[in-house]
Amino acid sequence: NAGVTQTPKFQVLKTGQSMTLQCAQDMNHNSMYWYRQDPGMGLRLIYYSASEGTTDKGEVPNGYNVSRLNKREFSLRLESAAPSQTSVYFCASIPDRARQPQHFGDGTRLSIL
Amino acid sequence: QQQVKQSPQSLIVQKGGISIINCAYENTAFDYFPWYQQFPGKGPALLIAIRPDVSEKKEGRFTISFNKSAKQFSLHIMDSQPGDSATYFCAAEETSGSRLTFGEGTQLTVNP
Repeated sequence: NAGVTQTPKFQVLKTGQSMTLQCAQDMNHNSMYWYRQDPGMGLRLIYYSASEGTTDKGEVPNGYNVSRLNKREFSLRLESAAPSQTSVYFCASIPDRARQPQHFGDGTRLSIL
Repeated sequence: QQQVKQSPQSLIVQKGGISIINCAYENTAFDYFPWYQQFPGKGPALLIAIRPDVSEKKEGRFTISFNKSAKQFSLHIMDSQPGDSATYFCAAEETSGSRLTFGEGTQLTVNP
């Protein structure tokens, strides 16, 4: 049972490059989330998707776009990477809208030079 | 601004001691307070959670204490073990939705 799978695990980009972080869950969950984790700042919500076909901005959406491709997959795209986007990115999912534990992937460590 | 404030940022405890991590919030719409545990190289995982209709919840060596009037809640780890060494995040969720607001995190080290 894989749970939430994130790819790639590590990535180094140059400023201005673009890339897509992939996330897939095999638990038939409705809601999916993208967070970034920075030292001393906890986990901050970038975007989330309450169901297939819907997406909403979180706390720090600037510089990012997302796609909820289907119920399983939720991707995060950086169109023009900036050093300030160096972070660890986590994807999470829950089965319904409230009071359920979020299941996290193991993260993508992204460095932008 | 950080809606959930967590302290301390780091904590070192001897094996067998008590680890205490504190969180405070301002938003009175928060009504669900989970704690997540994160090991290096892994994503966070739910440890224990509480709702504001109770003042305390205990699961094994882990206890959440909740003070609704003060808008504070804390995690106590009794008989701390080296295997408890991890980063701990408190979080809060509003009645209306499924968005969690996380605290800044506490890096706990339990020395043998």
